[in-house]
Amino acid sequence: KNEVEQSPQNLTAQEGEFITINCSYSVGISALHWLQQHPGGGIVSLFMLSSGKKKHGRLIATINIQEKHSSLHITASHPRDSAVYICAGQGNTDKLIFGTGTRLQVFP
Amino acid sequence: DSGVTQTPKHLITATGQRVTLRCSPRSGDLSVYWYQQSLDQGLQFLIHYYNGEERAKGNILERFSAQQFPDLHSELNLSSLELGDSALYFCASSGGGIIGEQFFGPGTRLTVL
Repeated sequence: KNEVEQSPQNLTAQEGEFITINCSYSVGISALHWLQQHPGGGIVSLFMLSSGKKKHGRLIATINIQEKHSSLHITASHPRDSAVYICAGQGNTDKLIFGTGTRLQVFP
Repeated sequence: DSGVTQTPKHLITATGQRVTLRCSPRSGDLSVYWYQQSLDQGLQFLIHYYNGEERAKGNILERFSAQQFPDLHSELNLSSLELGDSALYFCASSGGGIIGEQFFGPGTRLTVL
């Protein structure tokens, strides 16, 4: 079992739909990162959170430390949101432990 | 643009060869992290440097080594290359504290033939 697991692995949506990607972790972490990787390969950091909820534009990330679970929500999805979304746990050491990613495709 | 630069963008080489990947962190960032992304293993942490000193090691092979120079740029050296070393290599930088947002470079795509 991976220390960081994401679901679903693949997700398709129609433009405008509300999207949720889930991340569960089995290790103790100090922070949870959400990353976005576009088809060209570049990785963008979306959020780093250690408690509660963060919002940036149409993106919302939440974390429940007790349940070891985080979610990434995309409201009013758009084709340009199509990418791979990766969650990663960061413990008290420096390394990130990555989930396997969720491939999202949003169709017009 | 994250402010992190990596060179080269693409590298094609043969088995047994040695290559050097270069990373320049965002201005002011003291931490540099190296990651490998291969098709079968996904993203994996390799090594972390902070202000010139190694801070943490992950799944880094003995054939690989890294260093961070006084100007804070970092190099990842890969030697005795094997086909399985073909991957995307990313570096990321962060401001300094252990727990901090990481900013990723565009990556170097290494192909070993």
